[in-house]
Amino acid sequence: QKEVEQDPGPLSVPEGAIVSLNCTYSNSAFQYFMWYRQYSRKGPELLMYTYSSGNKEDGRFTAQVDKSSKYISLFIRDSQPSDSATYLCAPTTGNQFYFGTGTSLTVIP
Amino acid sequence: DAGVIQSPRHEVTEMGQEVTLRCKPISGHNSLFWYRQTMMRGLELLIYFNNNVPIDDSGMPEDRFSAKMPNASFSTLKIQPSEPRDSAVYFCASSPVGNTIYFGEGSWLTVV
Repeated sequence: QKEVEQDPGPLSVPEGAIVSLNCTYSNSAFQYFMWYRQYSRKGPELLMYTYSSGNKEDGRFTAQVDKSSKYISLFIRDSQPSDSATYLCAPTTGNQFYFGTGTSLTVIP
Repeated sequence: DAGVIQSPRHEVTEMGQEVTLRCKPISGHNSLFWYRQTMMRGLELLIYFNNNVPIDDSGMPEDRFSAKMPNASFSTLKIQPSEPRDSAVYFCASSPVGNTIYFGEGSWLTVV
């Protein structure tokens, strides 16, 4: 079983839609949970970082972690064409980082 | 801060040639990672260093791959001899205390 499972998509939504991106993981030792955004032909950039179960909001982005079900979500409100990218979830133990395969998102104007 | 700096950004080489990829981590970060990204397999960890010491190289695909970190501000990933299946984007990343990781822009390698 992979450490992290993520639906690769692709996901295509109209501008202004709410987007939900999800990952599941298997390792109970994961303590920190990150989301990275990767634009085409660029390196992944850190988008959000959470430590515990619950929600963390940053502008139009909300990261949600449910440790009991080992489920990670990223919500994007009022999606914009500039949000078109690949989103990778990345749980970590603090020493080891594990990346999902990424979900490709396209926001259509 | 300039971020993680990688070179070359693009390399096209012939099968059998040696390839050396270089990385300068963010100053003050004590962990350095080399990843390979392909469409089929996503991001794969090749090796990571902590305080210049290789900690886990289990992701290095075979003996053709080697990595060094002679000091805190420089690392290399070498492929010798290169093969077409090594074509991928190679990312270097660094981390300050282990709970976040910052990537470079990648080295795009094509082996023909």
